[in-house]
Amino acid sequence: AQSVSQHNHHVILSEAASLELGCNYSYGGTVNLFWYVQYPGQHLQLLLKYFSGDPLVKGIKGFEAEFIKSKFSFNLRKPSVQWSDTAEYFCAVFGFGNEKLTFGTGTRLTIIP
Amino acid sequence: DGGITQSPKYLFRKEGQNVTLSCEQNLNHDAMYWYRQDPGQGLRLIYYSQIVNDFQKGDIAEGYSVSREKKESFPLTVTSAQKNPTAFYLCASKGQGDTEAFFGQGTRLTVV
Repeated sequence: AQSVSQHNHHVILSEAASLELGCNYSYGGTVNLFWYVQYPGQHLQLLLKYFSGDPLVKGIKGFEAEFIKSKFSFNLRKPSVQWSDTAEYFCAVFGFGNEKLTFGTGTRLTIIP
Repeated sequence: DGGITQSPKYLFRKEGQNVTLSCEQNLNHDAMYWYRQDPGQGLRLIYYSQIVNDFQKGDIAEGYSVSREKKESFPLTVTSAQKNPTAFYLCASKGQGDTEAFFGQGTRLTVV
């Protein structure tokens, strides 16, 4: 069955620290991969997406993610976080063939000034 | 402006009553999705539809029903069989191929 795992439930970092949030998915076919962010009290916003080609994709606000097909992973990274990055982050996978769009349970990121 | 509209934003119902949440899109997207968002559980897929007059159960379909009579519309009915209906419900639509999904603003349902 198609699924997404986000192993980090709550991450706490100081400003300027580097960030890596894990995302693993299960699906045997071709996928599109996404990271969404939800700031406190706000709606979902697309951070970045992978469709095909270069496995390293860059998104808004300095975020990037790398698709490693052999590991079924799509980890999110940022070299230096800011207090304003405090939010919940969701990884999602779209499976071609079943056309399902499945989300992980999310990672709450807290940045300490 | 193209977009996806959910209504109402807030909805209150008494226990035991069915309630229907509206989702309309004018993006000409084939696929539409319903999710439920609860704290700590992410977005869980309830139902999805790839084309008109066809839909599939997601991961938590019990107690919910949908219809897809028009491409633009994908209403979700929360039935009295849903054990814990109070939640935030999100609708999304997606075009074919390598495209991103677009989300509505959500409906917060409270059952008392």
